[in-house]
Amino acid sequence: AQSVTQLDSHVSVSEGTPVLLRCNYSSSYSPSLFWYVQHPNKGLQLLLKYTSAATLVKGINGFEAEFKKSETSFHLTKPSAHMSDAAEYFCVVTPKAAGNKLTFGGGTRVLVKP
Amino acid sequence: DADVTQTPRNRITKTGKRIMLECSQTKGHDRMYWYRQDPGLGLQLIYYSFDVKDINKGEISDGYSVSRQAQAKFSLSLESAIPNQTALYFCATSEGGINEQFFGPGTRLTVL
Repeated sequence: AQSVTQLDSHVSVSEGTPVLLRCNYSSSYSPSLFWYVQHPNKGLQLLLKYTSAATLVKGINGFEAEFKKSETSFHLTKPSAHMSDAAEYFCVVTPKAAGNKLTFGGGTRVLVKP
Repeated sequence: DADVTQTPRNRITKTGKRIMLECSQTKGHDRMYWYRQDPGLGLQLIYYSFDVKDINKGEISDGYSVSRQAQAKFSLSLESAIPNQTALYFCATSEGGINEQFFGPGTRLTVL
């Protein structure tokens, strides 16, 4: 069985300040992990993925995430928030043996204040 | 043109009606998926298909059926719609293995 918990349903940051979105997972197998972003009225877009190579993963738009097996975490960060980062973010896990069946977290909605 | 398209984009219907949501892709992927999104629940998998002859139930398949008409087309049907099927529905595609899924723009379905 696998599950994903996004610890914050909403995060509010000021433009230019760091962003931290927290994600914890559980998986019976060695997992692959993803972060997706959903802008209003849009589909989901992949930000980054971890598939057992380097534990620090860099994605698009300045985002990165670190896989910490001991903490079962995959937190997403960005050093400096931009207004265009306002969106909903989903942490996603799939065990490597599951044939690409994804399990989604509940999502974190990010508000960026000017 | 978008790689994954969904029609319709918005639909309002009444309880008991049959509804079909359609998904087409030009990415050449074998694998296709249908999800529904409800606030606070992320996306939940309804059905998935790894090729034209392969259909599998996801987490929440009750009340839904699918048809894989071709590699590029995967349709989701609600045989008799009910209000708690009001949601945002997404189609996605992927290659084999652990690869990212590519999502369509979504269909907003309201069942009155």
